[in-house]
Amino acid sequence: EAGVVQSPRYKIIEKKQPVAFWCNPISGHNTLYWYLQNLGQGPELLIRYENEEAVDDSQLPKDRFSAERLKGVDSTLKIQPAELGDSAVYLCASSLRGGSTYEQYFGPGTRLTVT
Amino acid sequence: QKEVEQNSGPLSVPEGAIASLNCTYSDRGSQSFFWYRQYSGKSPELIMFIYSNGDKEDGRFTAQLNKASQYVSLLIRDSQPSDSATYLCAVYIIQGAQKLVFGQGTRLTINP
Repeated sequence: EAGVVQSPRYKIIEKKQPVAFWCNPISGHNTLYWYLQNLGQGPELLIRYENEEAVDDSQLPKDRFSAERLKGVDSTLKIQPAELGDSAVYLCASSLRGGSTYEQYFGPGTRLTVT
Repeated sequence: QKEVEQNSGPLSVPEGAIASLNCTYSDRGSQSFFWYRQYSGKSPELIMFIYSNGDKEDGRFTAQLNKASQYVSLLIRDSQPSDSATYLCAVYIIQGAQKLVFGQGTRLTINP
């Protein structure tokens, strides 16, 4: 069974430029998460989707970040415009369902560098 | 107080010894606890989860949970150099926005 797929794996952009990350969850997983991981820290949740619905986006900086999960499968996370402080690893994870007893599995991540 | 706290390490353990990793959490109502392993430059990999008080064993790994003390630990027996990684404790927080909250991770080094 294929795991969570993310692309690109690496991205270098100049500040003020837009950038987008793509995620394909494990087949059959209804719940999709986007996390941000800074160096030396654990992942922090940005947004959670149950099928197509964003059920928790309280940590998403909505002035520059947006996300969508059309058709309840793939998801895209966008930053526009990017700032220097956005340099981090963006991780996508999925689980069979939402809730506390469903394990989350991570994709390989996208390492973003903003110069 | 952080929701999930871990000692960032580094924790250095000789090969073949037991590595003990600890984690405390603040939400007394939390019921689900996870340990992830993260190699340098890689993404977190789920290695254990525990929902009930007591011990849960899986191969060389044992997760221990004490809800009264709000404490969860991971023991790695017969440590191998390949166990050298950062270990992330994650707790499903139910106060406020229900979500998985990660500690900052403990960097473990196994010395041959």
